[in-house]
Amino acid sequence: GQNIDQPTEMTATEGAIVQINCTYQTSGFNGLFWYQQHAGEAPTFLSYNVLDGLEEKGRFSSFLSRSKGYSYLLLKELQMKDSASYLCAVRDGPRPGGYQKVTFGTGTKLQVIP
Amino acid sequence: EAQVTQNPRYLITVTGKKLTVTCSQNMNHEYMSWYRQDPGLGLRQIYYSMNVEVTDKGDVPEGYKVSRKEKRNFPLILESPSPNQTSLYFCASKIAGGYEQYFGPGTRLTVT
Repeated sequence: GQNIDQPTEMTATEGAIVQINCTYQTSGFNGLFWYQQHAGEAPTFLSYNVLDGLEEKGRFSSFLSRSKGYSYLLLKELQMKDSASYLCAVRDGPRPGGYQKVTFGTGTKLQVIP
Repeated sequence: EAQVTQNPRYLITVTGKKLTVTCSQNMNHEYMSWYRQDPGLGLRQIYYSMNVEVTDKGDVPEGYKVSRKEKRNFPLILESPSPNQTSLYFCASKIAGGYEQYFGPGTRLTVT
């Protein structure tokens, strides 16, 4: 199974940079996701890392270290609309039948203040 | 427009009254899944389906049923709802071999 830890809440200032950390303990690993979820809305995909290193996509970047069981999501030039929950999720290795289970963390609620 | 739809979006019902939440996707995705989301517990998987007529339990299947008779539809059935099934429910789909899940808008269910 998977155990995923991320901070419950964070606050950051508009225009600043914020890093949201995620650590995981896993019995099998085949990738880590970050999703964004505004209050009361559906999660939307941000990033997927399966190899070590940094993946950059506009203002958002995601980093993975498989040996440390660690990832972070970096948000630059924060905007008020970035206020949302950020969900870290880990995918298992393939099982018989091809299914790869995805386990979600409880999410980090980010508040961006003026 | 490529999307996952759920109906109803909001539902208030009473204990024991059978209900169905529908989920439909127009992206020809093989994989579909149901999650519930509760404060402090995150998204937990209820059931998933790898393809038509292929379904399996997730982490919290008790009290729920599903069926996958058509590729586009994956309804969630609560035969006898109880108050502990009050939650926000999400349906999701993805293409076989892909990694990004597409989520529906959610169904907020209250069981009194």
